[in-house]
Amino acid sequence: KQEVTQIPAALSVPEGENLVLNCSFTDSAIYNLQWFRQDPGKGLTSLLLIQSSQREQTSGRLNASLDKSSGRSTLYIAASQPGDSATYLCAVMASGGSYIPTFGRGTSLIVHP
Amino acid sequence: DTGVSQDPRHKITKRGQNVTFRCDPISEHNRLYWYRQTLGQGPEFLTYFQNEAQLEKSRLLSDRFSAERPKGSFSTLEIQRTEQGDSAMYLCASSGDRNEQFFGPGTRLTVL
Repeated sequence: KQEVTQIPAALSVPEGENLVLNCSFTDSAIYNLQWFRQDPGKGLTSLLLIQSSQREQTSGRLNASLDKSSGRSTLYIAASQPGDSATYLCAVMASGGSYIPTFGRGTSLIVHP
Repeated sequence: DTGVSQDPRHKITKRGQNVTFRCDPISEHNRLYWYRQTLGQGPEFLTYFQNEAQLEKSRLLSDRFSAERPKGSFSTLEIQRTEQGDSAMYLCASSGDRNEQFFGPGTRLTVL
């Protein structure tokens, strides 16, 4: 059974810092990995999708990498802003045709001015 | 297309009542998912459809929960005889060929 762990659980940083959020998974036979942000009381917003054949994806100040062999993905946020404050979740979709993602618990990020 | 929509956004009900939620996916997406999320947790998979076929259902899903997706378009999730433990955010997502999930705003259920 796939297990997804996100470290740290919470992070509080001053504005302008470059951040690293980690996501680890136990079964490397994955189809894709997706990063989301979630604001309090809202649904999830897709940030980046990495297919299993890819090593990284970039969107603006965000960069996500994937290392299947070690069961890890990292989300980099450059030059953090207060508007980045949210919970960041990763979801791993296993290969094999089930198409069911497993989510981590998320990293709660606060960027203070 | 404006994305995935869910209705209602909030539902307050008394224990023992039945509730039904609706999800309208992105129109060209063939997969539709239902999740439940409680505070401090990631979304927990409940069930998913490919077109109108319900392909997977979580073993955690009791018989009080049922979902439909007639004609492969919108979907409904019904909870019968609600319990206080059913209080949660119910999320719907849809995906297409790339299997990238897009979520709706969720339905917040409170069972009194």
